Amino acid sequence: GENVEQHPSTLSVQEGDSAVIKCTYSDSASNYFPWYKQELGKRPQLIIDIRSNVGEKKDQRIAVTLNKTAKHFSLHITETQPEDSAVYFCAASLPTDKLIFGTGTRLQVFP
Amino acid sequence: DAGVIQSPRHEVTEMGQEVTLRCKPISGHNSLFWYRQTMMRGLELLIYFNNNVPIDDSGMPEDRFSAKMPNASFSTLKIQPSEPRDSAVYFCASSPGGNTEAFFGQGTRLTVV
Repeated sequence: GENVEQHPSTLSVQEGDSAVIKCTYSDSASNYFPWYKQELGKRPQLIIDIRSNVGEKKDQRIAVTLNKTAKHFSLHITETQPEDSAVYFCAASLPTDKLIFGTGTRLQVFP
Repeated sequence: DAGVIQSPRHEVTEMGQEVTLRCKPISGHNSLFWYRQTMMRGLELLIYFNNNVPIDDSGMPEDRFSAKMPNASFSTLKIQPSEPRDSAVYFCASSPGGNTEAFFGQGTRLTVV
């Protein structure tokens, strides 16, 4: 069945450094790839998304890249700040709207 | 719009009891999802509906779990009988459909003792 793998499970960086989270998906029919941020005790919230007809998208300090051939997509956060500390989830959606999440990456940004 | 509304926020129940979780999606949204979140497994998709019709329930762990969506503004997830391993945070999410942003409710933290 559909599967999304996410790495690493934990990531610690110094404030100001960059952070990269990588995901792979199994179903080549997947066409929508959102990223969610979940702060402690709160609900997941969308931070950026990308569609299969786009290779890269940027929004201020965050960017996503998509390699459809390899079925890989990544989240890049530059100039990290302590408030970026949270759990980040990648997800892949089929045209049927079936939305599958990765297992999450706990990002810690140390001042 | 108040967003996706889930109730209750917290539920503590004894093993063997029936548990019903409730969700009100955002008005106008066509897709509704139920997820279970645990430390070990992250966000697992249990079931999702499109226009009130269950599309894929392959994530429902056992026959003890059932979900309904009787109309566009209400869905329930029922566990009967509940077991301690069902303890988790259960999220409901809705989206307009067509591969667009899914909005999550605040979740229900279920503890089965």
